[in-house]
Amino acid sequence: GDSVTQMEGPVTLSEEAFLTINCTYTATGYPSLFWYVQYPGEGLQLLLKATKADDKGSNKGFEATYRKETTSFHLEKGSVQVSDSAVYFCALRQETSGSRLTFGEGTQLTVNP
Amino acid sequence: NAGVTQTPKFRVLKTGQSMTLLCAQDMNHEYMYWYRQDPGMGLRLIHYSVGEGTTAKGEVPDGYNVSRLKKQNFLLGLESAAPSQTSVYFCASSSTLYNSPLHFGNGTRLTVT
Repeated sequence: GDSVTQMEGPVTLSEEAFLTINCTYTATGYPSLFWYVQYPGEGLQLLLKATKADDKGSNKGFEATYRKETTSFHLEKGSVQVSDSAVYFCALRQETSGSRLTFGEGTQLTVNP
Repeated sequence: NAGVTQTPKFRVLKTGQSMTLLCAQDMNHEYMYWYRQDPGMGLRLIHYSVGEGTTAKGEVPDGYNVSRLKKQNFLLGLESAAPSQTSVYFCASSSTLYNSPLHFGNGTRLTVT
């Protein structure tokens, strides 16, 4: 079945550091790919998405490119802020099986001033 | 803009008690989902619905039942709660387009003692 693997956390960075969170997936067909963010005590919010190979999703300084050849969707940001501290989830969605979202384990990011 | 609303926000149950979690969405979405979130395991799908009057099992359906009598509501029931069901429960909804995101509620934190 479909699966998503994220780099293990937690990740701790200083403010203005470069961020990469790795995400790889296994899926049949051509899934859509998503990054969600969860701030403490809240639900999940969509951060960005890409729906086909070589698409780049971007939002709030975060970017991720859909790489079909490496089945990856790594999240990057050039300069993180304290307010970016949260849990980040990579996920995929297919047309089949009720179009459910399949999630990675999540990566806790802490940014220190 | 209410989006997806979950009630209650918190609940403590004793082993063997029953309860129902309510999810309501005001976006006229066809698809609705119940996930549980546990540390280090990401979000796992419990049950889902692709339309009013229909439900289907996800990855971890045992011990839960659901109903979708109205399009805007999706109920999750625990008939006889167990400590293993201590978790944070999230409801989500989406349109039928598989490249569209899921919209999440803020979660229900359930503790079973």
